[in-house]
Amino acid sequence: DAKTTQPNSMESNEEEPVHLPCNHSTISGTDYIHWYRQLPSQGPEYVIHGLTSNVNNRMASLAIAEDRKSSTLILHRATLRDAAVYYCILRGIQGAQKLVFGQGTRLTINP
Amino acid sequence: DTGVSQDPRHKITKRGQNVTFRCDPISEHNRLYWYRQTLGQGPEFLTYFQNEAQLEKSRLLSDRFSAERPKGSFSTLEIQRTEQGDSAMYLCASSPRGAVYNEQFFGPGTRLTVL
Repeated sequence: DAKTTQPNSMESNEEEPVHLPCNHSTISGTDYIHWYRQLPSQGPEYVIHGLTSNVNNRMASLAIAEDRKSSTLILHRATLRDAAVYYCILRGIQGAQKLVFGQGTRLTINP
Repeated sequence: DTGVSQDPRHKITKRGQNVTFRCDPISEHNRLYWYRQTLGQGPEFLTYFQNEAQLEKSRLLSDRFSAERPKGSFSTLEIQRTEQGDSAMYLCASSPRGAVYNEQFFGPGTRLTVL
């Protein structure tokens, strides 16, 4: 399984944008980049995914580097509810049905 | 609520006892997954069903663990002769037909404590 590297923790203030980085230098051409988050005492929830182009949805934006070796999850206006552990996950053709979680980034939002 | 449900939410047992957890996926989701999460770690994949067929099992799933999904609906995960190292959160997820890249919807988990 291709590996991802994320900072252990990040901190931001409420109503400010948050940029969560993820490095995946060994990504293959068919690997999708997925982001999930896990709020305290809950199961993980899907945030967004992409292949090559930047993606937007109601929760966040995903910016993918041109060489695809890194990506950034962008929360445009963080709220206290966004405090969670964020996981960057690669899903390739082999074993695509399972999610391989790393340690993730624990995001703290200050009021 | 039409999300993934798991029962029980908490289970405390003594070492050596057997435990069984149940997962009810979102209706009509044909794929079902089990994960295990220990404190401070990300979830680890245990096993995967497509309909009633168990298609993949992790090496983490020792002989003491067995999962079933009769009739392709709910699933059960049984742990026999529990050990203290089995203490963890057991998460179930489901996903709909279509691309295997489809998002997985997780339940709230069953927290197991083995004394």
